[in-house]
Amino acid sequence: EPEVTQTPSHQVTQMGQEVILRCVPISNHLYFYWYRQILGQKVEFLVSFYNNEISEKSEIFDDQFSVERPDGSNFTLKIRSTKLEDSAMYFCASTGGQVFYEQYFGPGTRLTVT
Amino acid sequence: SQQGEEDPQALSIQEGENATMNCSYKTSINNLQWYRQNSGRGLVHLILIRSNEREKHSGRLRVTLDTSKKSSSLLITASRAADTASYFCYNTNAGKSTFGDGTTLTVKP
Repeated sequence: EPEVTQTPSHQVTQMGQEVILRCVPISNHLYFYWYRQILGQKVEFLVSFYNNEISEKSEIFDDQFSVERPDGSNFTLKIRSTKLEDSAMYFCASTGGQVFYEQYFGPGTRLTVT
Repeated sequence: SQQGEEDPQALSIQEGENATMNCSYKTSINNLQWYRQNSGRGLVHLILIRSNEREKHSGRLRVTLDTSKKSSSLLITASRAADTASYFCYNTNAGKSTFGDGTTLTVKP
């Protein structure tokens, strides 16, 4: 069964450093998403991406964040200058036919900012 | 904004029993989805019910929808220890929103 993959599974970085989290969505999917989950808290929407551009984003997704689909398979989330409060699980998801419809989630990347 | 509100917040049952959890939502829906999250893992899509449907089955899952009350319920029959997880409802119309707190289901062997 096709699945969304994410790398790395765990990333440790120092405050102020840039990080890039990588995702490979399901190959024929059209919509891509990033969510984050701070330990013990809710799964929060960050951004959705369609047709090579951001379609929606939340208040969390400020200028420190960016997304890119650099080739036909990868979908990346970049945090330019990490803060302690960016420590969280980051989940990528993708959807085939309609936005937010039957999202397939990846296993997540645990980001630890020290 | 936040997706549906699930209740109860926590549910603990014995293996073999049925588990029922409920969801209330605020905005209109086209589809309502249910997801499961095992601790620390990504969410898994379980089932989708359309606004013109009242009930839907998938294996041991049964979902009902009452659009007049803006509520849905998820029933897991003959529960197993592997069903232990958090369960969330998700209103596709609400789009870019946070998942709720969910119902944490514990199934004791």
